[in-house]
Amino acid sequence: DAGVIQSPRHEVTEMGQEVTLRCKPISGHNSLFWYRQTMMRGLELLIYFNNNVPIDDSGMPEDRFSAKMPNASFSTLKIQPSEPRDSAVYFCASSKGHASSYEQYFGPGTRLTVT
Amino acid sequence: TQLLEQSPQFLSIQEGENLTVYCNSSSVFSSLQWYRQEPGEGPVLLVTVVTGGEVKKLKRLTFQFGDARKDSSLHITAAQPGDTGLYLCAGDYYGNNRLAFGKGNQVVVIP
Repeated sequence: DAGVIQSPRHEVTEMGQEVTLRCKPISGHNSLFWYRQTMMRGLELLIYFNNNVPIDDSGMPEDRFSAKMPNASFSTLKIQPSEPRDSAVYFCASSKGHASSYEQYFGPGTRLTVT
Repeated sequence: TQLLEQSPQFLSIQEGENLTVYCNSSSVFSSLQWYRQEPGEGPVLLVTVVTGGEVKKLKRLTFQFGDARKDSSLHITAAQPGDTGLYLCAGDYYGNNRLAFGKGNQVVVIP
């Protein structure tokens, strides 16, 4: 099993630019989670999907952030326009079940730097 | 406001020593998980505890869930350099299948 795949691994962009992060969950997993990790705030849940449907997006910081899951094997997190305070490591995770007690498998993350 | 407070934030010990790190909250959790994260990688699940007072062992790692299900501890016996990493606790607090993570305990084991 290839595990959760994220791309790109590193992204450096200028303030105001659009950024798209990509995630391929583990085959057969029906829940997908997007997290953001910073030194100040730790690991925060942004949004999660179950069976490709967004269930809870209350962690999305503002309208500049959007996420889609067009099919069971692909999801994107978009930031438009990006700001320096968006700099963080963004993780995608997937799990077999809907309940949080199921094990979540994390990808390697995308390190985003907005200058 | 951090729902889960982890202490100490940073701990450096010599190989062979024992250590304990803590995860505390004023809230009750239906379950609590511990993850380990290494540099440049995502967190990896170590254990899930669900019953108050539960103790689980994973080789040299011992996890305990508090009786009131508000806190947890991780004890490492005879630490090895391979135990170095960021240990994250995560609780199912919201009851709607969302995990709340602590900021982590950074552990460094010196050979």
